[in-house]
Amino acid sequence: GIQVEQSPPDLILQEGANSTLRCNFSDSVNNLQWFHQNPWGQLINLFYIPSGTKQNGRLSATTVATERYSLLYISSSQTTDSGVYFCAVGYSGGSNYKLTFGKGTLLTVNP
Amino acid sequence: KAGVTQTPRYLIKTRGQQVTLSCSPISGHRSVSWYQQTPGQGLQFLFEYFSETQRNKGNFPGRFSGRQFSNSRSEMNVSTLELGDSALYLCASSLDRWTYNSPLHFGNGTRLTVT
Repeated sequence: GIQVEQSPPDLILQEGANSTLRCNFSDSVNNLQWFHQNPWGQLINLFYIPSGTKQNGRLSATTVATERYSLLYISSSQTTDSGVYFCAVGYSGGSNYKLTFGKGTLLTVNP
Repeated sequence: KAGVTQTPRYLIKTRGQQVTLSCSPISGHRSVSWYQQTPGQGLQFLFEYFSETQRNKGNFPGRFSGRQFSNSRSEMNVSTLELGDSALYLCASSLDRWTYNSPLHFGNGTRLTVT
C-alpha cells in the first residue's frame, strides 16, 4: 500500500515562531488533506489540497503532487496551535481505495 | 450546521462484552467512515459506507462490524472485546460518494476502555 511519512515527528516552538511541516507519500494520490488534532482529541480539517497552494489565516499549505509531497506552514504560532498535525492521502490504487494517514507531527507551542 | 455527532463520548467495558458506537453525519453527507486511533498504531481505517452499502473495509478482524441506515446515520459494533480494542474510535463524514475524494469531517470520537 501507499506509504505516508511526516516530518519532523516532534516540534517545540516559542509563541510567535514560524514552522514548516512536511508530508511525503510514495505514490500518486487523488487528494491530500491536513488535520489538526487538539489535546482533547478533536480532529479538525485544515485543508483539502490535492495540488497547489491554499491559505487560511496564519496557516497555508502547498501540495506538489508530481513530486509527492505537501507542506503545511504555520506562521506566528500561538499556544492554541499545539497538538498533532496529520496529513492523509486519498489513494485509489487498484481496488483498494481509502484514506491513509501519516503518523503525525506533535507540535508544542510554549508561551 | 451541526457537525458530526458521536455517542457515547466515553465507554468502559470488560473483556468479552460487546459494544455499539453511534455516529450521525453532517446533514447532507451520505458517506461515513470509521477509524481507530491508538498510540501504537496511529489512525487506522476501519470501514466506509455510502447509501447503506459498505464500500471498503480495513484490516480488522470480523469482530468489528458496522452498518449505515437510510438516514445516513451509522453504527459500529465490536463483539467479544479484547484489551487491545481500547482506543479512540472516530467517525467522519464527507459529501462525495468516495471518502477519499472530498474533505473529511470528524466527530469528537468515542473513547473505549476495555478492562
